[in-house]
Amino acid sequence: GDSVTQMEGPVTLSEEAFLTINCTYTATGYPSLFWYVQYPGEGLQLLLKATKADDKGSNKGFEATYRKETTSFHLEKGSVQVSDSAVYFCALRVINNDMRFGAGTRLTVKP
Amino acid sequence: DTAVSQTPKYLVTQMGNDKSIKCEQNLGHDTMYWYKQDSKKFLKIMFSYNNKELIINETVPNRFSPKSPDKAHLNLHINSLELGDSAVYFCASSSNIQVAGELFFGEGSRLTVL
Repeated sequence: GDSVTQMEGPVTLSEEAFLTINCTYTATGYPSLFWYVQYPGEGLQLLLKATKADDKGSNKGFEATYRKETTSFHLEKGSVQVSDSAVYFCALRVINNDMRFGAGTRLTVKP
Repeated sequence: DTAVSQTPKYLVTQMGNDKSIKCEQNLGHDTMYWYKQDSKKFLKIMFSYNNKELIINETVPNRFSPKSPDKAHLNLHINSLELGDSAVYFCASSSNIQVAGELFFGEGSRLTVL
């Protein structure tokens, strides 16, 4: 079935460090890909998305590129801030189906 | 205006009790979902409704019964609560199941069973 695998956390970085969270997927159809962020005590918020191969989603300095050849959608940010501390979820969705999430990666950014 | 709202935000109850969580969306979406998030943050789909019709029903104990009175509402009733039901339950909506678009989430309802 459709599934997402993302790197296990937790990830701890210093402020202004470079962030990469790896995400790979398996899908029977042609999925749309997403990154969601969950701040403590809150629901999930869409961070960025990409709907076809080679699309780059970007938002708030984060970006991810839909790589069909490697079935990947890695999340990157050039310079993280303390306020980026949260749990990040990679997800996929195909037509006529629900959204499937990775296990989540907890990021802590220290000043 | 909150796009997807669910109540209550916190529920603390005893084993064996029955409880309900309500969800409403004002986005005009056709499809609504319930997800369960465990203590390790893992998210699992429970149910999905499209235009008030059940379309996804994962392997969930039949103590859990969703109800959709109209396409803007999807409620979750849980009978005979067990310790293992303790989790955060998220309601979500999307425009239509036939479009692989994003989901919009509520803030979650944290259920604690004692």
